[in-house]
Amino acid sequence: DGGITQSPKYLFRKEGQNVTLSCEQNLNHDAMYWYRQDPGQGLRLIYYSQIVNDFQKGDIAEGYSVSREKKESFPLTVTSAQKNPTAFYLCASSIIQGAYNEQFFGPGTRLTVL
Amino acid sequence: GENVEQHPSTLSVQEGDSAVIKCTYSDSASNYFPWYKQELGKRPQLIIDIRSNVGEKKDQRIAVTLNKTAKHFSLHITETQPEDSAVYFCAARGTGGYNKLIFGAGTRLAVHP
Repeated sequence: DGGITQSPKYLFRKEGQNVTLSCEQNLNHDAMYWYRQDPGQGLRLIYYSQIVNDFQKGDIAEGYSVSREKKESFPLTVTSAQKNPTAFYLCASSIIQGAYNEQFFGPGTRLTVL
Repeated sequence: GENVEQHPSTLSVQEGDSAVIKCTYSDSASNYFPWYKQELGKRPQLIIDIRSNVGEKKDQRIAVTLNKTAKHFSLHITETQPEDSAVYFCAARGTGGYNKLIFGAGTRLAVHP
């Protein structure tokens, strides 16, 4: 499972704590994305980045923060302000040239708030 | 806002039967429609996609059709096998200058031997 990796696979957090989810890719992709997946729902976009040192809010950014200091890395921090953080988090990457670009997903991190 | 509706939410078929999943999108400017398969506990993986200038695309046992006028697209799986059991997501590429995908809620397909 090379290409795009996420760690840890499982993460447990106490209420009130911030946690950071790691996402790394070696595909030389410019764009990276974070999605949240809840049971019975599709993937919802949290944040995305098209270039280093730049990122944009997606549809459900409240309570989350990101950074993009390196092309290969796009960590997501789930802050204590996120009211219902228990979910499966997926990171993805893609090229940005052209109009029909496949997004490649990482294996995901399952976050549980205790 | 942009929206993709997907039906049915669950689908149960016998091995060898066909399965059809349908999606409707709201943004008439959408031009790219991928389908992802997600097996239990694993990452979504692209299985087929279609562009807005094409009406149908096939790849072995799977096919996708697109009706731009009605703004809907469908996934067809023929001769289903137990390993086809998974959650399938449709998506539509939104407008706005970047590769944003709007996902449907998913269809859980169960293929029974």
